[in-house]
Amino acid sequence: GQSLEQPSEVTAVEGAIVQINCTYQTSGFYGLSWYQQHDGGAPTFLSYNALDGLEETGRFSSFLSRSDSYGYLLLQELQMKDSASYFCAVMDTGFQKLVFGTGTRLLVSP
Amino acid sequence: EAQVTQNPRYLITVTGKKLTVTCSQNMNHEYMSWYRQDPGLGLRQIYYSMNVEVTDKGDVPEGYKVSRKEKRNFPLILESPSPNQTSLYFCASSPGQGFYEQYFGPGTRLTVT
Repeated sequence: GQSLEQPSEVTAVEGAIVQINCTYQTSGFYGLSWYQQHDGGAPTFLSYNALDGLEETGRFSSFLSRSDSYGYLLLQELQMKDSASYFCAVMDTGFQKLVFGTGTRLLVSP
Repeated sequence: EAQVTQNPRYLITVTGKKLTVTCSQNMNHEYMSWYRQDPGLGLRQIYYSMNVEVTDKGDVPEGYKVSRKEKRNFPLILESPSPNQTSLYFCASSPGQGFYEQYFGPGTRLTVT
């Protein structure tokens, strides 16, 4: 099966850079996804890494190291609106579902 | 606008009273899925469907039923709700099996007393 570990909470100030880590254990691996969820809202897709390295999308970047079973989401120039929960997710080996981590709550303060 | 819709958004009911949460998508997606979200447990899959008339259990299917008679609709049925089914429910869809980007509905907050 799959399991993913994330820190439960991270705090930072506006304008800073924050990194949210995700380590995973899977019996097969087909890439790591990241989702954002604001309080009371639905999860929304942020990024996907199939191969090692860094993927950049505006202020957000995501990194993957398959040899270390590790990835992270990097948020730059933090804004108050970035306060949300962030989930990493992997596809299960049967390509039937996404398995989500328990999420990291990011609190951005002024 | 491409979207996944769910109804109702909020529901308070009593133990044992059958209910249905509807889910509809307008993106012609083949794959649809139901999740429940509980504090500290993240998102857990209840059921999924890879196409019309094709459904299968996820990680926590007990106490739930689904059907997929049309491509766009994937209702979640609780035949005899119990308090442990109090949760936040999300429907999601994606273009196909194994697609890493899923589109989520706005959620249904269910309370069973």
